[in-house]
Amino acid sequence: GQNIDQPTEMTATEGAIVQINCTYQTSGFNGLFWYQQHAGEAPTFLSYNVLDGLEEKGRFSSFLSRSKGYSYLLLKELQMKDSASYLCAVFYGGATNKLIFGTGTLLAVQP
Amino acid sequence: NAGVTQTPKFRILKIGQSMTLQCTQDMNHNYMYWYRQDPGMGLKLIYYSVGAGITDKGEVPNGYNVSRSTTEDFPLRLELAAPSQTSVYFCASSYVLPSEWGDTSNQPQHFGDGTRLSIL
Repeated sequence: GQNIDQPTEMTATEGAIVQINCTYQTSGFNGLFWYQQHAGEAPTFLSYNVLDGLEEKGRFSSFLSRSKGYSYLLLKELQMKDSASYLCAVFYGGATNKLIFGTGTLLAVQP
Repeated sequence: NAGVTQTPKFRILKIGQSMTLQCTQDMNHNYMYWYRQDPGMGLKLIYYSVGAGITDKGEVPNGYNVSRSTTEDFPLRLELAAPSQTSVYFCASSYVLPSEWGDTSNQPQHFGDGTRLSIL
């Protein structure tokens, strides 16, 4: 199976930087996604890593290391609206286009 | 475009009742998915479809059935509702163009707003 693990909860301060980790025990996947999900809403796409390394998009960056089975999402200049759950998901393309999600990390941004 | 539309938004069922959760998309996407999300957890894939007439099991298919008679519609059926099926159900669709997925304006999987189902 695919074990995809994330910390359950994290707390950070407005204006700070926070790193949310995701570890997995699987192989043969096409890439890794990060989604943001506010309470009571559907997930929304944040980033997609195919190759090892860092992908930067504004305040959000995502990193992937396939050899280490590890990814992280980096959020800079935190804002109160960043309080949400962050889900990493391993993507299996080819004939299925399946996403297998991790358990999610609930981030609380405090003033 | 409406995107992915799920109905109903909320529903309460009694144990043993059956119901169908509706999902339709107007983006002509080949791929459609059903997920469930329990409180404080990630999404679990129930069933998915790679095109009309083709369906396959995901991680947690037991207790559910699906059909895909058209490209647009992908209903999820609960035959004998059980308390363990109390959850939020999300339908999603996607189009196969991996080269486009780096663009945040073109999400890899478009999600519906969810159906909140309680079984008592």
